[in-house]
Amino acid sequence: RKEVEQDPGPFNVPEGATVAFNCTYSNSASQSFFWYRQDCRKEPKLLMSVYSSGNEDGRFTAQLNRASQYISLLIRDSKLSDSATYLCAVIRIRSGGSYIPTFGRGTSLIVHP
Amino acid sequence: GAVVSQHPSWVICKSGTSVKIECRSLDFQATTMFWYRQFPKQSLMLMATSNEGSKATYEQGVEKDKFLINHASLTLSTLTVTSAHPEDSSFYICSARADKVNLNTEAFFGQGTRLTVV
Repeated sequence: RKEVEQDPGPFNVPEGATVAFNCTYSNSASQSFFWYRQDCRKEPKLLMSVYSSGNEDGRFTAQLNRASQYISLLIRDSKLSDSATYLCAVIRIRSGGSYIPTFGRGTSLIVHP
Repeated sequence: GAVVSQHPSWVICKSGTSVKIECRSLDFQATTMFWYRQFPKQSLMLMATSNEGSKATYEQGVEKDKFLINHASLTLSTLTVTSAHPEDSSFYICSARADKVNLNTEAFFGQGTRLTVV
C-alpha cells in the first residue's frame, strides 16, 4: 500500500460547483499535512497547511481526520482558474530526526464553463 | 513567499554524459533541501534530503553514486546525474526549508528541471 494515496481523477466540474478531494495516509506517525497545487509542467505551490481543527482560506477548506488517517480539501464556487492537479503532502519524522515529506500522486481538477 | 531558483529549467543531453542541476534559495538560508523526481502523471518521489555541510540521505532505491548531491552552502544544493541514460529522463524538482524544528514550516519549490536524455 502506498504511503499517501489520492484518487487521480480527473474531476470534471462546472464553474460554481463545490468539489472535494480526499487523501489517505498509511503512517499513523505522520505529523504535518499540506495541500499543494501543481499546474501542468510546473512546480507545486503551497495552497494551504492542514490543521487538526480544520482551516479555511477563502473558498478552500482543509480538514484532517487522524482517526481515519485522511485529509480533505473542499473547493467552493469553483473557478476556471482552479483547474490544476492538487497534491497532498504528509510529513513525518524518521527515526534519527530527519523530516520526510511524502506526496500523493495528485488529483486532477478540470473546471469547465 | 520565499524564492527558490532552479537551473536549468530544461536540458537535453546525450546518453552517457553528466548533467548538473542547481537549486538556490534566494532570500533565505535553507537548512534542508530535498530533491524529487516526477514522472508524467506520477507523484513527486523523494530522492534524497541534503543538509548543509553533511552528506545527503538517499531514499531506498536511489543510487547515490549516480545522483550526486552537494549542499555546500546554506543557499545552494546541486544534483548531478552521472552517466545519464534515457530512463533518467524526468522532471527533477528541488525544494528548500529554512526551519529544522517547526514541522509546519512549508518547503518552497524550485521551478523544476525537465531532463531529456537521448
